[in-house]
Amino acid sequence: DAGVIQSPRHEVTEMGQEVTLRCKPISGHNSLFWYRQTMMRGLELLIYFNNNVPIDDSGMPEDRFSAKMPNASFSTLKIQPSEPRDSAVYFCASSPSGGTGEAFFGQGTRLTVV
Amino acid sequence: KNEVEQSPQNLTAQEGEFITINCSYSVGISALHWLQQHPGGGIVSLFMLSSGKKKHGRLIATINIQEKHSSLHITASHPRDSAVYICAAGSARQLTFGSGTQLTVLP
Repeated sequence: DAGVIQSPRHEVTEMGQEVTLRCKPISGHNSLFWYRQTMMRGLELLIYFNNNVPIDDSGMPEDRFSAKMPNASFSTLKIQPSEPRDSAVYFCASSPSGGTGEAFFGQGTRLTVV
Repeated sequence: KNEVEQSPQNLTAQEGEFITINCSYSVGISALHWLQQHPGGGIVSLFMLSSGKKKHGRLIATINIQEKHSSLHITASHPRDSAVYICAAGSARQLTFGSGTQLTVLP
C-alpha cells in the first residue's frame, strides 16, 4: 500500500485566494483526520471523519475552513479566503477500526499564504 | 483533557550512543503512539502500544500504564536517527500530542 497520500506537497498562495488540500487515505481505513502543525501550537486536530461522516469538527478554526469526504478514498480541506495566519503544515491521517487503532500519517502539505 | 509531557526537549548525542526519550501523560489511556518527523518531512508512526514493550530494529518502546509513562529507546544511534520524536497519548481518534523531542546524532 502506498500509505496516506496528500497533495500538493507545497502550496504558496496569495491572501484571499481559495486553497484546496487533498488526501487519499489508506484503502480499508474508515477513519480520516486532518491536523494542522505550527511552531506555536504543535499538532492540532481540525476534523475527524468516520465512514465518510464528520464526527468532530470542533478544531476547525473558523468558517473559512471546510472539509469534505465524498467517498471512502478521498477528502478535501478547503480554506476560503486564505490568510497569512493559515500558513502551516497540514497533515492527513487515516486509521482502521473507527479510529480506535493506530494512526497513519501522510507526508503533509506545507501551505504558505503571502 | 490529557496533558502530555516529553523530556528532554532537545537531545544531542554521539553516533553509537544509547538514547532515551521520556513521555508522561496525565489521564489514563488505551494506547500511546510514538511518531518520528524528519525536517521538512512527513510524520511516520513508529509504534502504537498499550502495554509492555515493542521492538522494531534499533527502536524499543515501553509503556507503564499504572505510572502513566512511556519511553522510547534508540540503541546504537546513527545520524539518520536525527529527527523530532513525538509522543501522542490515546488511540487515533483521541490523540493528544507532546511538544516533541528534537534529537541530533552527530557522526
